[in-house]
Amino acid sequence: AQSVTQLDSQVPVFEEAPVELRCNYSSSVSVYLFWYVQYPNQGLQLLLKYLSGSTLVKGINGFEAEFNKSQTSFHLRKPSVHISDTAEYFCAVTNSGGYQKVTFGTGTKLQVIP
Amino acid sequence: EAQVTQNPRYLITVTGKKLTVTCSQNMNHEYMSWYRQDPGLGLRQIYYSMNVEVTDKGDVPEGYKVSRKEKRNFPLILESPSPNQTSLYFCASRGYGEQYFGPGTRLTVT
Repeated sequence: AQSVTQLDSQVPVFEEAPVELRCNYSSSVSVYLFWYVQYPNQGLQLLLKYLSGSTLVKGINGFEAEFNKSQTSFHLRKPSVHISDTAEYFCAVTNSGGYQKVTFGTGTKLQVIP
Repeated sequence: EAQVTQNPRYLITVTGKKLTVTCSQNMNHEYMSWYRQDPGLGLRQIYYSMNVEVTDKGDVPEGYKVSRKEKRNFPLILESPSPNQTSLYFCASRGYGEQYFGPGTRLTVT
């Protein structure tokens, strides 16, 4: 069975400061990893994904994440946040190969302070 | 444009009154899912479907039914809704390595 842990339920950060949202996963097989963003009163939008290849993945809106297999982590980073980044962020994992179940973390609310 | 549509977007109903939330995708995907989102719990899978006439339970299937008679449609049925099913529901359609989500249906059961 696979699982995802997002330890930080809320992360306040000042505008233009860097941010890291943590995600750790558990799986006995190879995985695909995702970060989704949910703006207030909206659906989920894919930020970035890791399927294979380079462990540093770049996504939309200046976000990037690094897949670390030894630490089973997929932390999301942005060097300088904007007010518009205020949203909830979800990490998700699925076993690679075929159409496997996607498991989501409980989410991290990023609050950007002016 | 690739998209997943859900209807209705908002629904207030009473306990025990059967309802259906529709979901449709235009990407010819075989795999579709229903999730519910509750504060502090993230998204939990209710049911999924690998193809037409192939469905299976997710993590929280109690009180829900689904059907997959056509590839593009995957309706969620609540035969006898209860207040603990008040939630935000998302339908998703999965292609290779990525899920596409519908806009969500906010359901309130009183």
